[in-house]
Amino acid sequence: QQPVQSPQAVILREGEDAVINCSSSKALYSVHWYRQKHGEAPVFLMILLKGGEQKGHEKISASFNEKKQQSSLYLTASQLSYSGTYFCGTVNRSYNNDMRFGAGTRLTVKP
Amino acid sequence: EAQVTQNPRYLITVTGKKLTVTCSQNMNHEYMSWYRQDPGLGLRQIYYSMNVEVTDKGDVPEGYKVSRKEKRNFPLILESPSPNQTSLYFCASSRISGGPLEQYFGPGTRLTVT
Repeated sequence: QQPVQSPQAVILREGEDAVINCSSSKALYSVHWYRQKHGEAPVFLMILLKGGEQKGHEKISASFNEKKQQSSLYLTASQLSYSGTYFCGTVNRSYNNDMRFGAGTRLTVKP
Repeated sequence: EAQVTQNPRYLITVTGKKLTVTCSQNMNHEYMSWYRQDPGLGLRQIYYSMNVEVTDKGDVPEGYKVSRKEKRNFPLILESPSPNQTSLYFCASSRISGGPLEQYFGPGTRLTVT
């Protein structure tokens, strides 16, 4: 089962914040976040392992709530370079190594 | 330079004509995987491999075959392609620690089956 991402699309002005959510119907072992720009391959942002940790990458951070089987990606003070489609990928239990990706959230940052 | 390479980048073929898309990585990664990307559906995993001679089905394996005879290579085989396999295909690799870690993606192969 693919994780569910929301919203499907968001438009921001430079400097605004956004949150992208990812939820699964199954218990999660890890959540991965990727960004894909048009015509390019996905690029890794961060991985969160079960334990409720929060990670950061420049002005992009994420949280993982394993009880709710949810993860959120936070983009603060967005820049034009943040535009792209964001995907969450989930692994449901340790050593079950198939990955399921959400349908993606298209983020557009305007000047 | 650490990279995942795929060939060909573009391919137009006809229904039923067997084809192979190659994937190679130079990072000594244990985990390799194939995904297809279709509009509105995100990335769907076709097959993955934990190591040489170890492969397993992903979400959408029907109509595809893979092999992992060498650690660096993970070819995707379509023995009898059909139009519904028209898609953008990505190969990816990563290390493993309890599960796949940061995945490095190849540039993609755009396949059209007529």
